Amino acid sequence: EVQLLESGGGFIQPGGSLRLSCAASGFTFSSYPMNWVRQAPGRGLEWVSVIGGSGGSTYYADSVKGRFTISRDNSKNTLYLQMNSLRAEDTAIYYCAKALDYSYYMDVWGKGTTVTVSS
Amino acid sequence: EIVLTQSPATLSLSPGERTTLSCRASQSVSTYLAWYQHKPGHAPRLLFYDSSNRATGIPARFSGSGSGTDFTLTISSLEPEDFAVYYCQQRSNWPLTFGGGTKVEIK
Repeated sequence: EVQLLESGGGFIQPGGSLRLSCAASGFTFSSYPMNWVRQAPGRGLEWVSVIGGSGGSTYYADSVKGRFTISRDNSKNTLYLQMNSLRAEDTAIYYCAKALDYSYYMDVWGKGTTVTVSS
Repeated sequence: EIVLTQSPATLSLSPGERTTLSCRASQSVSTYLAWYQHKPGHAPRLLFYDSSNRATGIPARFSGSGSGTDFTLTISSLEPEDFAVYYCQQRSNWPLTFGGGTKVEIK
């Protein structure tokens, strides 16, 4: 069974840093791009970032560019999101999502980890 | 950035009813559009990709169509488990973008 399990969320002050992880199982992790998507309280889904299977290509939403870094360790079947210079508007549930293929559609999602940025 | 506008924002319906959800793109996305279902406390679920390709395990009562700027998701007969929020998402241009969602609620 394909599974994704996010961790690393928590309560952080504005300007702080946090690293999210997503442990994958049940598929050949290195063969698929992986995404991060978030949902702020009372809002819809917002795509954050994607990384290719080898880690060589990355894309970001403008709202996080320069502050967030996506990476992956294929030897550990784990996806990461390093979040720096956090703002209140980054408060959200963060989901990792496996891409169907290089179309980047998201066919398997985790249940999410919550990040709260507040003073 | 391509903006996806979903309408209506909320639909109040009864089980067994037919419904059509709309997603309009600010510029053509060809057929590079997906639909997702999201229930509170659950992971989102891919329903369709490339406008009309049904994802694995999606029941036949769901159908997707459209191209260019106008897309629809149709549920032919609502089941109790279909009450949820539905999002469209385009992959034609970076950044990937989602619509604001349509909530299908029980009347």
